[in-house]
Amino acid sequence: AQSVTQLDSQVPVFEEAPVELRCNYSSSVSVYLFWYVQYPNQGLQLLLKYLSGSTLVKGINGFEAEFNKSQTSFHLRKPSVHISDTAEYFCAVRGNYGGSQGNLIFGKGTKLSVKP
Amino acid sequence: DTGVSQDPRHKITKRGQNVTFRCDPISEHNRLYWYRQTLGQGPEFLTYFQNEAQLEKSRLLSDRFSAERPKGSFSTLEIQRTEQGDSAMYLCASSLQGGQGGETQYFGPGTRLLVL
Repeated sequence: AQSVTQLDSQVPVFEEAPVELRCNYSSSVSVYLFWYVQYPNQGLQLLLKYLSGSTLVKGINGFEAEFNKSQTSFHLRKPSVHISDTAEYFCAVRGNYGGSQGNLIFGKGTKLSVKP
Repeated sequence: DTGVSQDPRHKITKRGQNVTFRCDPISEHNRLYWYRQTLGQGPEFLTYFQNEAQLEKSRLLSDRFSAERPKGSFSTLEIQRTEQGDSAMYLCASSLQGGQGGETQYFGPGTRLLVL
C-alpha cells in the first residue's frame, strides 16, 4: 500500500522569504510523485511531477522539488514567495505498475500563508 | 481545451434524497477519475474509468454510490439515500493515457455537497 505524509498542516511565511513544504511517501513499488496547488474555490492545478531521470524537478510559478529515494521524500521549495502563492499544496503519489493503475494518493495538504 | 467542467458547483440536499453530479472531461481524454475531499483532508480516490469501462472502485464507494461513463465522454456520479457523512467536495479529473502512467490528471472545480 502507498501513503503520503505532509509533515506540516500550516506554514506561515513572510513575502520574499524562502519556503519548503515537506512530503514523505511510502511505497513497495517505484512511484511517480506530484505536487498540486489548490487556490480558494478552485480545482487542483499541477505544479510539477517526478517520473524519472533528474531528481530535481522544476515546475510552474518558480517552484521546484527534489526526489530523494533514500529518504523517500519529495519536498517542494521556492526561494522567494509572493502573496499570490497563498494556497493549499498537496503532495501525491502514484504507483508505477506499468501504466495500468490510475489513481493518485494524496497527502492531507499544507496551507501556505504568505504575509506581507 | 476548455478544461474539466463539473455541474452543479454546489448542491444542498436533505438526508435521504438522491443526488447526481456530472463531469465533462477534457475532450479526447480517455481516463476519468472521481475523488472526494472532506475538510482538512486531501482528495480520496473513489473510482476510475478508461473510456466507458469502470476499472477501479475504492472501498469508499459504498453501494449507495454509482458512477457511469456511458459513451466514454462525460460521467455521472449518483449518491442514493444521502447521509450527512456524504457532505464533501466531489472532484472529477481526466487524463490522456500514455507512457507508463505518469500522465497528468487535470481536475475540475468540484461539486460541493451539503447534506442537511
